[in-house]
Amino acid sequence: QVQLVESGGGVVQPGKSLRLSCAASAFSFSTYGMHWVRQAPGKGLEWVAVIGFDGSNIYYIDSVKGRFTISRDDSESTLYLQMNSLRVEDTAVYYCTRARRLRAGGKDAFDIWGQGTMVSVSS
Amino acid sequence: DIQMTQSPSSLSASVGDRVTITCRASQGISNNLAWYQQKPGKVPKLLIYAASTLQSGVPSRFSGSGSGTYFTLTISSLQPEDVATYYCQKYNSAPWTFGQGTKVEIK
Repeated sequence: QVQLVESGGGVVQPGKSLRLSCAASAFSFSTYGMHWVRQAPGKGLEWVAVIGFDGSNIYYIDSVKGRFTISRDDSESTLYLQMNSLRVEDTAVYYCTRARRLRAGGKDAFDIWGQGTMVSVSS
Repeated sequence: DIQMTQSPSSLSASVGDRVTITCRASQGISNNLAWYQQKPGKVPKLLIYAASTLQSGVPSRFSGSGSGTYFTLTISSLQPEDVATYYCQKYNSAPWTFGQGTKVEIK
């Protein structure tokens, strides 16, 4: 079935880096915009970044601009989030999500979610 | 940036009650509004998109309405399995902001 599976989370010290991956299956990955959403422990959902189906239309929430980079490898049906200069406030479960409509630049609701991967930033 | 404000932040209602959650955008977003349900310890699930279109497989007791800056999510007859936190989200442009969430419990 249509599925997103995240990996790469872990415990890291402030200032360090992590790269999250999201493997997609059972749908045409290259035709969908993809997003990262995070949820700090006990808190609400926070959108983090988007990449359009063609690798354009990349946007970030202000708090991660210059530190995080979203990318995709359509040949591997995989979405990435490179996280540098991590801060304690980046601690959260990170979800990979799919924008609902084909070729819509990511401007749609999120119909498919991964199970999430936990990132803990602590000294 | 456009802010999304939900109310109430939590509510408690009886099984069978009609429950309404509101979501206000600080600027007009047309109908580019989604609602999600997140049960405790689970992944968020899309309920409604385009303000009022039910996602496939979602029970018909859920409905959405609104346009511009004011939106509502209604559960026509609350069921025990509806215990969850509900989030609205705008998606017309970056950032794809979520509301702060409304926690729904059974009285």
